Amino acid sequence: EPEVTQTPSHQVTQMGQEVILRCVPISNHLYFYWYRQILGQKVEFLVSFYNNEISEKSEIFDDQFSVERPDGSNFTLKIRSTKLEDSAMYFCARQWGSGANVLTFGAGSRLTVL
Amino acid sequence: ILNVEQSPQSLHVQEGDSTNFTCSFPSSNFYALHWYRWETAKSPEALFVMTLNGDEKKKGRISATLNTKEGYSYLYIKGSQPEDSATYLCAFCCPLVGKLVFGAGTILRVKS
Repeated sequence: EPEVTQTPSHQVTQMGQEVILRCVPISNHLYFYWYRQILGQKVEFLVSFYNNEISEKSEIFDDQFSVERPDGSNFTLKIRSTKLEDSAMYFCARQWGSGANVLTFGAGSRLTVL
Repeated sequence: ILNVEQSPQSLHVQEGDSTNFTCSFPSSNFYALHWYRWETAKSPEALFVMTLNGDEKKKGRISATLNTKEGYSYLYIKGSQPEDSATYLCAFCCPLVGKLVFGAGTILRVKS
């Protein structure tokens, strides 16, 4: 299986700025997810995406967050106006089917909000 | 709130030692339990997906067992090697479609 590639590997931004994190490759036949890990805390679910739609999202995934497939191959997570507490490692993951199938993770994008 | 606990938080062992970690999860509405191995600066890598009570899975020197009635899973590493050093994550699947609930992980350091 092809790897999941995430860009950027590390981004530093000022509070209030917009950030876009990218994940490739994607396909209509897969589930895609964004997870994040704030330093010292557990990995937590943000959102799942299937067939061009959000299928589930957590309470963390508020109006400041959005996911898109801008060009049919990338899967992006956008944070419109970053806050200090958005500093975390953000992981993209894909899955064949759901539930009993494992997730294939990217190496993560570290976001630092100053 | 659904909670997944892992113990110990960290473990330092000598090369050749065998070790085990615990993952505790809710015993109700069980669907699957995932184990992942996560090395620093790399992607978390899937080890096992366990679905049936009494499941026992093995991958080389690593094995895992599952008890869904009492809500725990054990991960065993036989004859630890320095390359086994990583964070081992378990995740309870899936209260909602696609949502894994992760434990905090067990950090393993194997000294040669």
